[in-house]
Amino acid sequence: QVQLVQSGAEVKKPGASVKVSCKASGYTFTSYDINWVRQATGQGLEWMGWMNPNSGNTGYAQKFQGRVTMTRNTSISTAYMELSSLRSEDTAVYYCARGGVRRTLFYWGQGTLVTVSS
Amino acid sequence: QSALTQPASVSGSPGQSITISCTGTSSDVGGYNYVSWYQQHPGKAPKLMIYEVSNRPSGVSNRFSGSKSGNTASLTISGLQAEDEADYYCSSYTSSIVVFGGGTKLTVL
Repeated sequence: QVQLVQSGAEVKKPGASVKVSCKASGYTFTSYDINWVRQATGQGLEWMGWMNPNSGNTGYAQKFQGRVTMTRNTSISTAYMELSSLRSEDTAVYYCARGGVRRTLFYWGQGTLVTVSS
Repeated sequence: QSALTQPASVSGSPGQSITISCTGTSSDVGGYNYVSWYQQHPGKAPKLMIYEVSNRPSGVSNRFSGSKSGNTASLTISGLQAEDEADYYCSSYTSSIVVFGGGTKLTVL
């Protein structure tokens, strides 16, 4: 069965960076895009971007351009999302999700809470 | 890209039907048949309920259905059950990106 298992919660100071991992299993990792979506407490879903694990190609939401980097390690079927220059407004649960046609998000990770606090 | 517009809340009694709307523009909802709906229970990851406007993934109850007219998509849940109480989000593909609605809280009375 398809599974996406994310790394554990993180606490960071303003200005720092955070790198969240997403380990895929149950399917061929390089065959489907990985998308990242975040959700602040009590708020809605916010799409951050996508990565093609085969080519490494990426596409980011305009809001995160210059601050987000999505990468992968195909040897261990793991995708990464790094967000830099963190501020308090970045406190949220970050989800990875396997994308289908036109970014339909069929499978989701369990989420990773990132807290930004001084 | 602006978020899609959903009502903040809807409610219904067990056994009834409810419809949640999702309004966008001709650049997103109206321009593509790639509208999805996600269900999210508190503290859980979202779950795909409808994709490509009206398709149900395997395992999703046929009480859930989707449609679209112009720039507005809709999710209908028939035969409401207590377990349907959750937040629901629509999303649309547009120009290589994804835009979400603000979410709708469904309360089963």
